[in-house]
Formats: sequence, C-alpha cells, structure tokens
Amino acid sequence: KNEVEQSPQNLTAQEGEFITINCSYSVGISALHWLQQHPGGGIVSLFMLSSGKKKHGRLIATINIQEKHSSLHITASHPRDSAVYICAGPYSNFGNEKLTFGTGTRLTIIP
Amino acid sequence: GAGVSQSPRYKVAKRGQDVALRCDPISGHVSLFWYQQALGQGPEFLTYFQNEAQLDKSGLPSDRFFAERPEGSVSTLKIQRTQQEDSAVYLCASSRQGGVWEQYFGPGTRLTVT
Repeated sequence: KNEVEQSPQNLTAQEGEFITINCSYSVGISALHWLQQHPGGGIVSLFMLSSGKKKHGRLIATINIQEKHSSLHITASHPRDSAVYICAGPYSNFGNEKLTFGTGTRLTIIP
Repeated sequence: GAGVSQSPRYKVAKRGQDVALRCDPISGHVSLFWYQQALGQGPEFLTYFQNEAQLDKSGLPSDRFFAERPEGSVSTLKIQRTQQEDSAVYLCASSRQGGVWEQYFGPGTRLTVT
C-alpha cells in the first residue's frame, strides 16, 4: 500500500470548473509538496507546505497535519492546467529529505 | 539558465550497454536527489547527496546502479549492463541545503533499453 494516496486518479472537467485533488498520507511527513508534471516528463514544484494554506494565482493548497490530508484546488480551470498533479512528502528524517510520491492525478480540462 | 539541467534528454541503449546520465543542479544547492519514474507511475527515490557525500543510496535497485557527485555539484548516475526493466525517466532534483526545502526538478532523461 502506497503511503501517499491521491484521489481521484483521473479527473476530466469543463473549462471554468473548480477542481479539487486530494492527498492522504499515513506516515510522519514533515512537509507536503504539490508537483505538476506535463507530458514529456518535466516536473514543476507548485507548493511546499507544512501547515495551513498557500495560494498562487488560481492554485490553492491546504493541509491538515492532524488528519494527514492535503488538497489542491484550481479555480477557473483552463485547458493549460491539464497535467498530472502529484503530491509528495519527505519523512521527518533529518539529514535525508527524500520524497515519497503519490500515484498522481491526471487532470484533463476540456475547452 | 538557472534551473536544474540533465543530459542527455533521451537515451536509447541496447541491453547490456553501460549508460551515464548527468545532472547539473542549481548553483549552490547542497542537496541532490535522483528519482526513477517508470511509465505511468510516480517517481521513486534512488539516492541522495549532501554536497559530495552520498548519504542514502537505499533506493538503488541493484549494484548495477552507481551515482557520484565528486565535487559537490554535478552528479552522474551510471547504469551498468542495462536491462529492459531499467527503461524509465530518470529525474534529478536539487534543493538549497540539508533539511526540508523545496526541491527543483530537472527535465529528466528518458532511457529506453532495447
């Protein structure tokens, strides 16, 4: 069982819809990363957060440490948001902050 | 170019060949990570460097895999006697220093073993 679980695995929505992607983890993650991966492989870091909420443009990420749950929201979705979104966390293990990744959510926004 | 770069971007190797994949991290970044991403899967950890020290190589799948970062900047991942199951995208990431910092990813090297 993956220690970082995402849902849904696939999500198709119309342009303009509000999108929510969820991430749950079962281990002591010290901070959670949300990453975006476009076809072709390149990964871009969207957020790193250890508490509360962060916002960047139309993207909002929240985390509840007690419940070990994080969400990524996209407002006013656009076809260019189509990508795979991955959550990942480093274990709280000083000296090595390797990431454990979720399986990803493939988002497709239809014009 | 201030980002993480990797070369080559694509590599096709015949089974049994040795390959070397290069990662140039962001200048001054202390930590460097290698990840392997099989088709349709999330990335998985291979190895981690802090400066030139390889602090964790627990994710390397076999002794055919070897990584180095001799001067604490550029890193090379070497795979000896490649096998078909080695086909994957190899991602390199760097972060500012030890501890939990945002990791910056390179574009990856897509390795295909035929």
